[in-house]
Amino acid sequence: GAVVSQHPSWVICKSGTSVKIECRSLDFQATTMFWYRQFPKQSLMLMATSNEGSKATYEQGVEKDKFLINHASLTLSTLTVTSAHPEDSSFYICSAHSGLADSYEQYFGPGTRLTVT
Amino acid sequence: SQQGEEDPQALSIQEGENATMNCSYKTSINNLQWYRQNSGRGLVHLILIRSNEREKHSGRLRVTLDTSKKSSSLLITASRAADTASYFCATDMDQFYFGTGTSLTVIP
Repeated sequence: GAVVSQHPSWVICKSGTSVKIECRSLDFQATTMFWYRQFPKQSLMLMATSNEGSKATYEQGVEKDKFLINHASLTLSTLTVTSAHPEDSSFYICSAHSGLADSYEQYFGPGTRLTVT
Repeated sequence: SQQGEEDPQALSIQEGENATMNCSYKTSINNLQWYRQNSGRGLVHLILIRSNEREKHSGRLRVTLDTSKKSSSLLITASRAADTASYFCATDMDQFYFGTGTSLTVIP
C-alpha cells in the first residue's frame, strides 16, 4: 500500500522558535495533502488542505500566518509552526490523497508530536 | 501506522436503507472515533465513543463499541445520497491510528 512519512516523529522546541514538519508521499504523487492536529484524547481536527502548486485552504479558526503550509511538489508538503507557544503543543498528522477521479483513498502519515516548552 | 481496520471496504445501498460498517482494532484504547471524508476533502469528525461507553447516538448515526471484541460499528439509518463518502475509524491510545476506510455509495 501507499506510504506516507512524516519527519520528525517528535520534536521539543522552546517557545518563540519555529518548527517545520515534513509530510512525504513515498510511492505515489499526492495532488492534495491534508494537515490535522489532535489534542490529547480529543478528535482529529482538520487544519488545512494543501494542493500542489497553490495556496493552502485553511479551516476557520486556523491562523494562516501561524501555520505556514507549503506544497511545493507532488510528494512533499511542509507545515511550519511559527513562533511556537506551549498551546501549540499537539499531535500533527498529515494525509495524502492521490487526486484520482472518484478515489476516496487517502493515506495517513504516522504523525508528529510537538512539545513547546 | 494504521491499527483500525474497517469492513466492508466498499458498500453500495439504496437511499432510505440503513448502512452498517465495522471497525476492528488490536490494542486497548482510550476512545474510538468515526470520521467521514467526501471525495477530495479532509476528514470530518462524526462521533467519539469512549472506552467505557457501549453505545452512542448522534442524529442518524449510532455507534457501538465492544472492547472485549475490540470492535466498533457505525450505523447510518435512513441513508441519503449525501451520505456517499468514505468512513474511517480511528483509535486513540497514546498515538492516533486510522483504518483504511469504508467507501459508502448511496444510490438515489
